[in-house]
Formats: sequence, structure tokens, C-alpha cells
Amino acid sequence: GAVVSQHPSRVICKSGTSVKIECRSLDFQATTMFWYRQFPKQSLMLMATSNEGSKATYEQGVEKDKFLINHASLTLSTLTVTSAHPEDSSFYICSANPGQGGYEQYFGPGTRLTVT
Amino acid sequence: QKEVEQNSGPLSVPEGAIASLNCTYSDRVSQSFFWYRQYSGKSPELIMSIYSNGDKEDGRFTAQLNKASQYVSLLIRDSQPSDSATYLCAVKTRGYNKLIFGAGTRLAVHP
Repeated sequence: GAVVSQHPSRVICKSGTSVKIECRSLDFQATTMFWYRQFPKQSLMLMATSNEGSKATYEQGVEKDKFLINHASLTLSTLTVTSAHPEDSSFYICSANPGQGGYEQYFGPGTRLTVT
Repeated sequence: QKEVEQNSGPLSVPEGAIASLNCTYSDRVSQSFFWYRQYSGKSPELIMSIYSNGDKEDGRFTAQLNKASQYVSLLIRDSQPSDSATYLCAVKTRGYNKLIFGAGTRLAVHP
């Protein structure tokens, strides 16, 4: 149980375009999902907490107009990187918490974004 | 002071030995503690959770929690080369539903 999927696993886009990444909880409902970014050989950085049916909570320094998050259902959250630039190239990982009193997070496999 | 601190390593142990990974946290009211394993180029995988003081064992893994010392550790018995990865300690503090991650300790198990 507690499987989280992400799509796409890898994407290459041109500078100035937008990219949408999907995160799905496959066998549980997730009121809360999280989006992280990780640069090579660096630690995980939490970007935002995605709450079903309400606005995402962004961490300090993360531009909410650039990283659009939508959590329209209990099994799906999306992250859209708008007007992507080469410095946005990174490994984007989502996670979900099944709730039920626990706080563990289960991670998706990640999306490697390259902006050319 | 960082909220969750880990030695970055690398921690090098021979195959078959016990690997001991340590983590300290700054918020005394922290409630829940997790260990994740992350292979290079992959996403983190949950391996252990611990909520109360003492030891919790699961196969070759043992998590140890000491809330008075604000210290949590992970022991890996009979280490295998396949255990070579970065191990992330994560802490949930009261009032937030997010986890605070340490920077991770890189473990290298050599044959």
C-alpha cells in the first residue's frame, strides 16, 4: 500500500514554456500532498504543502505565481512550472500523507525537469 | 542551529558490520520521527518510523529514540553493499503537518 505515482518521470522543455507535473496517490486518499525540489547532491527542499480543495501553502522564498499548485481531488495534485528557465532544471518530487493519525510521507518517483 | 542535523558522511562500513546513523533535532516538542533511504537519482523511501522513546526493530533495521537528548538513530545490522545510499532523518513537530528533513548521511558499504 501507500503508492504514489508521478508523471512524467522526465521532461525536457524550452525556456519560456510551462510544464505540468502530476502526482497521484494510487491506493489511498491524501488530504495533503507535498512538493519538493532537489538539486544534484543537495538535500530535499520543501516547496509547498498542497491541501485538497484549498490554496497551497508555499515555503518562504518559493514564488507561488511561478510554481502553480492545484489539488483538485483527494488523489491528485499538480505542479505547473510556468515560464520555465534553465535554473528551474531540477528533480521535483511529490509526497503524500495517508492521514489516519500518522504523519509519514510516501514519495513519488520524481520528475527530472531539464529546461534548455 | 539547524532544526534537524545529520553528519553528512560518508560513513564507510565493511559488509556485514553494523552501520550507525545519528540525527539530532532542535524542537523539544517534536512528536514523530522517520528514517528514509534515498538511492542516487531516486526519490526517498520510508524505512522506519518511531514515535516513543526506546528501540523499534524491523528486520535488519533498528530505530532508537531518546526525546530527553533530542536524538534519534538508525542501526543497520549485517550491512550489505545494497544499503549504500543516503539516509534522511525527518521530524514532525507539533503544530505543523510537514516534515523537517536533515541533509542526510551518505552510507557506503564496501565488500
